[in-house]
Amino acid sequence: DTEVTQTPKHLVMGMTNKKSLKCEQHMGHRAMYWYKQKAKKPPELMFVYSYEKLSINESVPSRFSPECPNSSLLNLHLHALQPEDSALYLCASSQDSGKIYGYTFGSGTRLTVV
Amino acid sequence: AQTVTQSQPEMSVQEAETVTLSCTYDTSENNYYLFWYKQPPSRQMILVIRQEAYKQQNATENRFSVNFQKAAKSFSLKISDSQLGDTAMYFCAFMKYNTGNQFYFGTGTSLTVIP
Repeated sequence: DTEVTQTPKHLVMGMTNKKSLKCEQHMGHRAMYWYKQKAKKPPELMFVYSYEKLSINESVPSRFSPECPNSSLLNLHLHALQPEDSALYLCASSQDSGKIYGYTFGSGTRLTVV
Repeated sequence: AQTVTQSQPEMSVQEAETVTLSCTYDTSENNYYLFWYKQPPSRQMILVIRQEAYKQQNATENRFSVNFQKAAKSFSLKISDSQLGDTAMYFCAFMKYNTGNQFYFGTGTSLTVIP
């Protein structure tokens, strides 16, 4: 299995809702990432988990809450989002830091906040 | 701080022709890694090619090759024999040698291959 699987592919949520994005990989990668991408812009790093521990938080608002229950699974819990949080959310994983082989990305969750 | 610049927001090329996408970067690091990723309409970011700064030889992957000029801090991507499936957004990216774990992406070049 050489894929990163993200669910759901599309999500529409209200500003008072609570939802979660899920990311799964079975490649034995020990680093996992959440990125946010606006249309026609490059991805922006949100969080990095290394060996199931949060190692980087790029000053992301607390309405985004990451969770890494095990080495194969990464969640992003969403609560009280704003319309400007609408974006494509990409998950990625890598062997160690990703320097040698880069990252493997998922196809993303297209989030719309109404 | 590291910055990556892609000066061509949009480009087009005829099928079977060759196209070159430009990328420049600014860093005080001596050792680092450079990448090109493509993002087709399917949204998944796909690694195209990778270059280690301490290697002088330019990386090649089938129809894709780079022109790495370390002194000029330039890292262009050449796509030969362009195919319709090459239509995508292309991002140049920089990663530090010592720390890794974080890409610095350029703003992207939207490439359209015309049949």
